[in-house]
Amino acid sequence: NAGVTQTPKFQVLKTGQSMTLQCAQDMNHNSMYWYRQDPGMGLRLIYYSASEGTTDKGEVPNGYNVSRLNKREFSLRLESAAPSQTSVYFCASSDIAGLFNEQFFGPGTRLTVL
Amino acid sequence: QKEVEQNSGPLSVPEGAIASLNCTYSDRGSQSFFWYRQYSGKSPELIMFIYSNGDKEDGRFTAQLNKASQYVSLLIRDSQPSDSATYLCAVKMMNYGGSQGNLIFGKGTKLSVKP
Repeated sequence: NAGVTQTPKFQVLKTGQSMTLQCAQDMNHNSMYWYRQDPGMGLRLIYYSASEGTTDKGEVPNGYNVSRLNKREFSLRLESAAPSQTSVYFCASSDIAGLFNEQFFGPGTRLTVL
Repeated sequence: QKEVEQNSGPLSVPEGAIASLNCTYSDRGSQSFFWYRQYSGKSPELIMFIYSNGDKEDGRFTAQLNKASQYVSLLIRDSQPSDSATYLCAVKMMNYGGSQGNLIFGKGTKLSVKP
């Protein structure tokens, strides 16, 4: 039982390049989330998927797109990377998107955009 | 503006002491409160959650919630050097990040436990 997995662990991009961050969970959770964490800013929600087939914007969605491929997988795409997107990206999942929103996090992807 | 506020620290306590971590939140309608621990370079790990006013104990950890004062705290008894980490307070707020409500995180308090 791996929990939440993310690939890659590290990535360096040049401005304007694109990439997709992959996330998968094996806990049969309905809801999945993408966050970014920057020094002094805390965790901020980029996009989330309350259930398979749905996605919604979070607090900081600009410059990102997501795909909920199936119940297990939720990917985050940067179409044209910018230095402001240098951050640590965490994927998380939770059983239900309700009151008991206990979220479990993946190990993170450390992205640098030059 | 929906906010979760924490003292950034660092909070330094001697080994064996009680560490007290505090969090205030802006949305009076919030119902669920979570404490995560994050070691340097690692991902957040859930350690406690609380929904009702009062105290909730789990081993050396006690979460305290006062909805009237919009205040939640985490006490760590018999602190150990292995407790040295950043502690994130998270609050489920309706209409944050979408109509279903999602977690909003504080910026975290860095705790250092000195041997």
